[in-house]
Amino acid sequence: DIVMTQSPDSLTVSLGERATINCKSSQSVLYTSYNKNFLAWYQQKPGQPPKLLIYWASTRQPGVPDRFTGSGSGTDFTLTISSLQAEDVAVYYCQQYYNSWWTFGQGTKVEI
Amino acid sequence: EVQLVESGGGLVQPGGSLRLSCAASGFTFRSNWMAWVRQAPGKGLEWVANIKEDGSENFYADSVKGRFTISRDSPQNSLFLQMDSLRAEDTAIYYCARAILQAAGAFDIWGQGTMVIVAS
Repeated sequence: DIVMTQSPDSLTVSLGERATINCKSSQSVLYTSYNKNFLAWYQQKPGQPPKLLIYWASTRQPGVPDRFTGSGSGTDFTLTISSLQAEDVAVYYCQQYYNSWWTFGQGTKVEI
Repeated sequence: EVQLVESGGGLVQPGGSLRLSCAASGFTFRSNWMAWVRQAPGKGLEWVANIKEDGSENFYADSVKGRFTISRDSPQNSLFLQMDSLRAEDTAIYYCARAILQAAGAFDIWGQGTMVIVAS
């Protein structure tokens, strides 16, 4: 199985400041023949199901604010929230779909 | 409206069985990979199982392999999870999720979840 490890487990950011979440996979999730990284990011607020933010490591899902940016390739990825808003308080997960056994990171809690 | 609605959760004794259902609407169900994802109380997300668009292939997390069976009925727009030999550690909210066409494996539509409690 591909193990996804996020860091940090939690972070506290002031309103309007930048939040950076890291995700590392135990093996590369870059499919070289497609030149795509099979990596997604989700946001989950309390009592709600997760919401897809980013797929292919950097493609924003329609409707997602452009303050959310995904970057990275191979085994190291980052989700950046450029200017944290109150509504961004949530737990964020990365997920790989490189093979047929999809796995999530343990989650990163973002607080203000 | 694109929607997934789970049902079938509840309280079951260890060693027991339960069958979860997920009713899909608002999209062409037979076009998408589908999956079950669970979340134990206060814990993170765990992918459980997935199934190909035509139901010809399915895959399971090691934690449930041999005990859970995923299936789909495309004419009825339904996804199922048969859970046997349940353990306390299977206690969780079980979400049904749709994988997007552009990137099978990234989930754009989720149900609200159904709670499964395994306890005596």
